[in-house]
Amino acid sequence: EPEVTQTPSHQVTQMGQEVILRCVPISNHLYFYWYRQILGQKVEFLVSFYNNEISEKSEIFDDQFSVERPDGSNFTLKIRSTKLEDSAMYFCASSDGDSTTDTQYFGPGTRLTVL
Amino acid sequence: AQSVAQPEDQVNVAEGNPLTVKCTYSVSGNPYLFWYVQYPNRGLQFLLKYITGDNLVKGSYGFEAEFNKSQTSFHLKKPSALVSDSALYFCAVRRLSGGYNKLIFGAGTRLAVHP
Repeated sequence: EPEVTQTPSHQVTQMGQEVILRCVPISNHLYFYWYRQILGQKVEFLVSFYNNEISEKSEIFDDQFSVERPDGSNFTLKIRSTKLEDSAMYFCASSDGDSTTDTQYFGPGTRLTVL
Repeated sequence: AQSVAQPEDQVNVAEGNPLTVKCTYSVSGNPYLFWYVQYPNRGLQFLLKYITGDNLVKGSYGFEAEFNKSQTSFHLKKPSALVSDSALYFCAVRRLSGGYNKLIFGAGTRLAVHP
């Protein structure tokens, strides 16, 4: 069964550094998403991406964040100048459509720890 | 605004007994509801969804969920729990915004099935 994969599984960084979280969505999917889960809190939406453009972003997704599809398979989340409060589990998801009936499939997550 | 509530932080069930994990929702318009499960060190796995039609939705691993419009609920159920069902369960509602969708998650319920 096709899966969304994410690397690395755990990333430790110093405050102020830049990190890139990588995702390989399911191969025939066209819609991509990033969510995050701060420890003990809800999973919350960050951004959705389609046709090489951001289609929606939350208020969390400010200029510190950016997303990119650098090639035909990868989807990345870049966090510039990381802060302690960016420590969270980051989930990538993909779907083959954007209708209300389409299912988003999630990767295993990257745990980001900012020291 | 769309939201979901999972009123129980944890549910404890003996193996072989039926289990219920509760979810209530608040939406404007038609609800599109999802259940995901998160096993330790794994991502969010899709279990089932309600879009329209039969109020009883069947999903993966023997789980089912009952949609109740009058009570605005979408409880997850399984007739006979297994120890391996122990995990974190998330209810989510799909929000349609500008033609693109994001999932709004509940806080999660930890299911513990005891031998």
